[in-house]
Amino acid sequence: AQSVTQLGSHVSVSEGALVLLRCNYSSSVPPYLFWYVQYPNQGLQLLLKYTSAATLVKGINGFEAEFKKSETSFHLTKPSAHMSDAAEYFCAVSDPYGQNFVFGPGTRLSVLP
Amino acid sequence: DGGITQSPKYLFRKEGQNVTLSCEQNLNHDAMYWYRQDPGQGLRLIYYSQIVNDFQKGDIAEGYSVSREKKESFPLTVTSAQKNPTAFYLCASSPLDRGNIQYFGAGTRLSVL
Repeated sequence: AQSVTQLGSHVSVSEGALVLLRCNYSSSVPPYLFWYVQYPNQGLQLLLKYTSAATLVKGINGFEAEFKKSETSFHLTKPSAHMSDAAEYFCAVSDPYGQNFVFGPGTRLSVLP
Repeated sequence: DGGITQSPKYLFRKEGQNVTLSCEQNLNHDAMYWYRQDPGQGLRLIYYSQIVNDFQKGDIAEGYSVSREKKESFPLTVTSAQKNPTAFYLCASSPLDRGNIQYFGAGTRLSVL
């Protein structure tokens, strides 16, 4: 079975500062990992995915995430926050066949001017 | 344009009333999903379907029903048995190949009058 934890339900950063959103997973099989972003009153949009290829994954809008098996982590980073990055971010895990797709509880990112 | 269409965007339910949320996709995806989103609780799976005329209960199926008569369509009915239906409902679809990604509609916000 898969599970996901996201440390910090709310993270605030200043515009131009580093964004770091934490995700740790538990999986009994090699995991596939995803980060989604949700803007208010909208659906979820895929930011990036890890599917057993390169451990450093680059996504849209300047975000990237690194898969660290030893730490069971898949943290999301962006070097410089922009006001438009304010949103809710969800980490998700599935098995390699897309089964047992589980979302984390989400982290709300605020960007301060 | 290819994508997932949810309608209506806003829906109001009276006491004792059943309401149906529509979800249509033209991505030719085999699998479709319904999630419920409440503030601070992330996404919870209500029902999913991997093939026409077949569907499975998710974590919170009580008070909901679905049908999958066509590959493109996966409507969700919120029955009067669902005592706390106020939430944001998200529909998603995915292909059933290795490493699949879930694609989301824009959501329906259901409120009780």
